[in-house]
Amino acid sequence: DIQMTQSPSTLSASVGDRVTITCRASQNINAWLAWYQQKPGKAPKLLIYKASSLESGVPSRFSGSGSGTEFTLTISSLQPDDFATYYCLQFKRYRTFGQGTKVEIK
Amino acid sequence: EVQLVESGGGKVQPGGSLRLSCVASGLHFDNYEMNWVRQAPGKAPEWLSYISSSGYTTHYADSVKGRFTISRDNAESSLFLQMNSLRVEDTAVYYCARDRDTAPFDFWGQGTLVTVSS
Repeated sequence: DIQMTQSPSTLSASVGDRVTITCRASQNINAWLAWYQQKPGKAPKLLIYKASSLESGVPSRFSGSGSGTEFTLTISSLQPDDFATYYCLQFKRYRTFGQGTKVEIK
Repeated sequence: EVQLVESGGGKVQPGGSLRLSCVASGLHFDNYEMNWVRQAPGKAPEWLSYISSSGYTTHYADSVKGRFTISRDNAESSLFLQMNSLRVEDTAVYYCARDRDTAPFDFWGQGTLVTVSS
């Protein structure tokens, strides 16, 4: 099984901050990685697929990078609507989510 | 407008069964691969099962293999999850989610709550 390790588990930041979340795969997954945003009581929302492709309608302040085993999600300038929990997902073999990163107001 | 609407959740005793449904609208359902994903309270989502657009290929997470069965009826634009031998740890919100080419889970339903408790 492919394991996904996300860090940090919690991140405190202010509006306007640049935020980076990291996801590490237990084996090479090439670029088969996606990122999701989830708000309380709602289903996750796809932000990034194939490591760096921005989903239609997602603001350009979100970006993804990486390949192989190391991946990052970057929010270039944090907005009030971005306070949420973020998950990575590998889809190289079946599907495995990371444990999540909660972005909180500092 | 694309919509996925789950139903069939509820409270069931350990060892019991439930059948979840997901009805799709606003899309050509038979063009899409589909999945079930669940999320226990306060936990990360967990992928459970995948089915190809034709229904011929299915995959399961180890946690539900042999207990859960995914199926679909393309004529009715519907996805199903038959859940048997339910355990307390199966308590979660269950979502159906669509795959789009290389974009997994690009669209989700609103979820249905399953509670396994005596």
